[in-house]
Amino acid sequence: DAGVIQSPRHEVTEMGQEVTLRCKPISGHDYLFWYRQTMMRGLELLIYFNNNVPIDDSGMPEDRFSAKMPNASFSTLKIQPSEPRDSAVYFCASSTPRGRGRTGELFFGEGSRLTVL
Amino acid sequence: AQSVAQPEDQVNVAEGNPLTVKCTYSVSGNPYLFWYVQYPNRGLQFLLKYITGDNLVKGSYGFEAEFNKSQTSFHLKKPSALVSDSALYFCAVRDDEENTGFQKLVFGTGTRLLVSP
Repeated sequence: DAGVIQSPRHEVTEMGQEVTLRCKPISGHDYLFWYRQTMMRGLELLIYFNNNVPIDDSGMPEDRFSAKMPNASFSTLKIQPSEPRDSAVYFCASSTPRGRGRTGELFFGEGSRLTVL
Repeated sequence: AQSVAQPEDQVNVAEGNPLTVKCTYSVSGNPYLFWYVQYPNRGLQFLLKYITGDNLVKGSYGFEAEFNKSQTSFHLKKPSALVSDSALYFCAVRDDEENTGFQKLVFGTGTRLLVSP
């Protein structure tokens, strides 16, 4: 399995521009998570999906952030308009649920490092 | 609400010496506990987990962790550290309370392990 695939790995943009981050989860995983990692706040859960449906978006910082999962193999996290304080590494992770012999550990992508100038 | 604490920002150890990275947790039900490692510019990688059973859990790369219910701790250990073990280590917990659906994985703030030659 190729694991969780994220793109782009690096993105540098200017304040006010739209940013779209992409994620392909591991095939068969029915949970998908978006995390943000910064030095100041550590690892923050932004939103997660189950079977393509958003379950909890309480971690999404502002209305400028939105996430979609149009199908089981693709998700996007969009920031519009972007601001310098959005600079961070954004991780996507996927998981299978507890039960059925599985314990729900997360499998992370390599992350998308966003720099907003 | 579930929470996890990693009291040390950094742990320094000489190569060949044993290492311990501390983690304590708080949950309402039974805990599911995890350790992840993050190498520079990489995503988090799963190391090991405790769900039930033996209190000493063995994982990848020679790491192990000891679950202590009375002290609500899940410290990560390795008998002999390698320079290549230098990385950021995250403890995470999930509350095993049933009938509430999928529980979010809560991460600690991370502990940087530095192994000197």
